[in-house]
Amino acid sequence: EIVMTQSPATLSVSPGERATLSCRASQSVSSNLAWYQQKPGQAPRLLIYGASTRATGIPARFSGSGSGTEFTLTISSLQSEDFAVYYCQQYNNWPSLTFGGGTKVEIK
Amino acid sequence: EVQLVQSGAEVKKPGESLKISCKGSGYSFTSYWIGWVRQMPGKGLEWMGIIYPGDSDTRYSPSFQGQVTISADKSISTAYLQWSSLKASDTAMYYCARQDWNHVYPFDYWGQGTLVTVSS
Repeated sequence: EIVMTQSPATLSVSPGERATLSCRASQSVSSNLAWYQQKPGQAPRLLIYGASTRATGIPARFSGSGSGTEFTLTISSLQSEDFAVYYCQQYNNWPSLTFGGGTKVEIK
Repeated sequence: EVQLVQSGAEVKKPGESLKISCKGSGYSFTSYWIGWVRQMPGKGLEWMGIIYPGDSDTRYSPSFQGQVTISADKSISTAYLQWSSLKASDTAMYYCARQDWNHVYPFDYWGQGTLVTVSS
């Protein structure tokens, strides 16, 4: 099974600042990597798929990069509504669809 | 509009059985996989298994194989997740989510979640 490791576990950022989240796969997942955002009491929401393609309706301040085993989600200028938990997920090794442990982005 | 609507919260006792549901609308239900994801209190997301309602092809995560049963009734566009004997450790939020038939994309639409509480 592919293990997905996210870092850091918690990221403290001030509104308007940039946030950089990392996700590492234990073996190559090509570009089959997604990022989700989850706010308290809500279901996860797809942000990025194919490592770098924004899902429908996702603001341009969210960007994804990477391939193989190293991936990054960048939020260019944090808005109040962006404080949430972010998960990466690989879907290359289907039907195994493993998630990372999550990164909580909190207000500094 | 694509929607996945899950059944309501459940409170059960250990040893009881349970079947929760996920009804799809706004798209061709038989042309997409439906996956189930567990989220234990305060924890992350865990993929449990996935079913293709078109032919009921079902795959399980090794962690959940034998612990739950996933099924679907395409005539009513509904997928199910069931337990034959619940444990306290099954207490969690359970989400269903949709994936394209060729699994080129990840889960693009999610249900609102069903909270299952197992307590004596």
